[in-house]
Amino acid sequence: DVKVTQSSRYLVKRTGEKVFLECVQDMDHENMFWYRQDPGLGLRLIYFSYDVKMKEKGDIPEGYSVSREKKERFSLILESASTNQTSMYLCASSPSRQGRSNLYEQYFGPGTRLTVT
Amino acid sequence: DQQVKQNSPSLSVQEGRISILNCDYTNSMFDYFLWYKKYPAEGPTFLISISSIKDKNEDGRFTVFLNKSAKHLSLHIVPSQPGDSAVYFCAARIVNSGYALNFGKGTSLLVTP
Repeated sequence: DVKVTQSSRYLVKRTGEKVFLECVQDMDHENMFWYRQDPGLGLRLIYFSYDVKMKEKGDIPEGYSVSREKKERFSLILESASTNQTSMYLCASSPSRQGRSNLYEQYFGPGTRLTVT
Repeated sequence: DQQVKQNSPSLSVQEGRISILNCDYTNSMFDYFLWYKKYPAEGPTFLISISSIKDKNEDGRFTVFLNKSAKHLSLHIVPSQPGDSAVYFCAARIVNSGYALNFGKGTSLLVTP
């Protein structure tokens, strides 16, 4: 079974702090994604990566950066946390070639509920 | 601008009856559509998908219908069960755009006993 793990389920940070959210997948997937989920707004794509050292901006990259130094790990960084970044953060991964999974199917981690005070 | 729209924020259905969740899209370049289910405090899980070259895909109690001319897809759950109560997200992929998906805002389904 594909497993996507996120470093924390709940996190409370202060305004201005630098925040690291870690995501690890164990299925050798090439593609990894970071989303945030907010009530009434659904899932919005922040950043994604199709390969090590590669990153692409999603729909809402402002205030965030990412790092992908190893294939299995994709980190989301909030350079200076602000209260409007309080949200549920979801990491996902997917393969580049259709194997046992459906093409384009993304596997999600359990999410990190981040509160910035 | 939201390209995948789920206009009903919530839906309530009695156990045993059919649940129909709807999704409209604006971009004719979408070539693949997926439905995800999400329980509170968990990540979304894949439910069913359909390619734009098909108009129906079935998997057990779940069927997805695609009407390309109307840019509309729907998820049918028959029969509905209380364990189906969750938020359902519609997602779509733009042809030749890689692996990123566009998600709708979600519809919260409540199945009552």
